[in-house]
Amino acid sequence: QITLKESGPTLVKATQTLTLTCTFSGFSLSTSGEGVGWIRQPPGKALEWLALIYWDDDKRYTPSLKSSLTITKDTSKNQVVLTVPNMDPVDTAKYYCAHRSSRWYRGAFDIWGQGTMVTVSS
Amino acid sequence: QSALTQPASVSGSPGQSITISCTGTSSDVGGYNFVSWYQQHPGKAPKLMIYEVSNRPSGVSNRFSGSKSGNTASLTISGLQTEDEADYYCSSYRSRNTDVFGTGTKVTVL
Repeated sequence: QITLKESGPTLVKATQTLTLTCTFSGFSLSTSGEGVGWIRQPPGKALEWLALIYWDDDKRYTPSLKSSLTITKDTSKNQVVLTVPNMDPVDTAKYYCAHRSSRWYRGAFDIWGQGTMVTVSS
Repeated sequence: QSALTQPASVSGSPGQSITISCTGTSSDVGGYNFVSWYQQHPGKAPKLMIYEVSNRPSGVSNRFSGSKSGNTASLTISGLQTEDEADYYCSSYRSRNTDVFGTGTKVTVL
């Protein structure tokens, strides 16, 4: 059974760097085809795809934030970390991590974490 | 990057069928068969309902079906039930190795 859980600060100040950790179980990021992505959702608004990392360290970022986001993995800890520098109040959102496999349910996130709400104060 | 376009809201009576559209371009929906659909109830995480345009994950009701024509994908819910009331999002692979979500559709069961 695959599970994911996001953790990190609930409140950050503008211009600070946000670091979020996704801790997962039920799969390994050392296994071919496995991946973890990050998605965010501002209150009352739509989902926004942010970044994705695969078992082979292939990293993908949304073009609008590509120059600022960083996604990394720690296979030994079963964790994926997303770093967002220079936070702004518009970055206030619930941040989700989710499982992706290139072997089944291709192109989709089949299992999601519960999400973590991050508020950016000015 | 621009989101895929969905209607803001769709409604139907119990037992009816409704269809939600998801319009993109030849660089995403029209160019690849990696369209997926998610259901999100208030305060909950999204749930995968359809992947690769028309495939249902195990456990998802066969009342949900997906299709695609040109640059527009569609999700159809047949035999609408009260528990289907939720927000629905489409997603597609987009060229240059990224994905994009739709603007979201609120489904109301009258």
